[in-house]
Amino acid sequence: QSALTQPASVSGSPGQSITISCTGTSSDVGAYDYVSWYQQHPGEAPKVMIYDVNIRPSGVSGRFSGSKSGNTASLTISGLQAEDEGDYYCSSHTSTKAWAFGGGTKLTVL
Amino acid sequence: EVQLVESGGGLVQPGGSLKLSCVASEFVFSDFPIHWVRQAPGRGLEWVGRIRRIGDTNATGYGESVKGRFTISRDDSKNTAYLQMNSLKTEDTAVYYCLRQLLGSAGFDPWGQGTLVTVSS
Repeated sequence: QSALTQPASVSGSPGQSITISCTGTSSDVGAYDYVSWYQQHPGEAPKVMIYDVNIRPSGVSGRFSGSKSGNTASLTISGLQAEDEGDYYCSSHTSTKAWAFGGGTKLTVL
Repeated sequence: EVQLVESGGGLVQPGGSLKLSCVASEFVFSDFPIHWVRQAPGRGLEWVGRIRRIGDTNATGYGESVKGRFTISRDDSKNTAYLQMNSLKTEDTAVYYCLRQLLGSAGFDPWGQGTLVTVSS
């Protein structure tokens, strides 16, 4: 069982917006602004899309945004495109000086 | 291009040992903490551990499932981090990735391409 809870799957049509949640506790997500989001396509290594809750690395589309409220972080993808399909993982630093990952969410673009 | 390249994966019997390497290029390796994350076939990501810069307090940290069996080290003169894995179990079978932790952040970028470790008799 993963330390952070994500929905197993989400789906949306091209052009729509979707949000993926990541729920932790007051010892990880709620304790630090150190939540990151990673996109993984089949057979490839994960790629950072958002770090420190809402910072988007250069080269990542502005359609990706992050937020946090209490013990739950969220990744929103607007203007959904076919290439957004894949697995998404959240990650958070924890109070025990470790890192936790969510179980992953499979995004399907209909 | 900032890059990390893992090597050393392969087939090993339960109870055996294996040492993975992670070679960095195009950045000042000694300035950055390096992490290892694994992904079992068809499963999610699991944090294995990390090593901070040489001289930092509490330089290494490990996930509960590998604590006492795995050891992370680094040789900054070779721009290389290592993951020594002992007392391997079948459940350690996974692709192992090394990652660079961004300075002043908890984000990871880049990730290596990964190396597959299979523990089986």
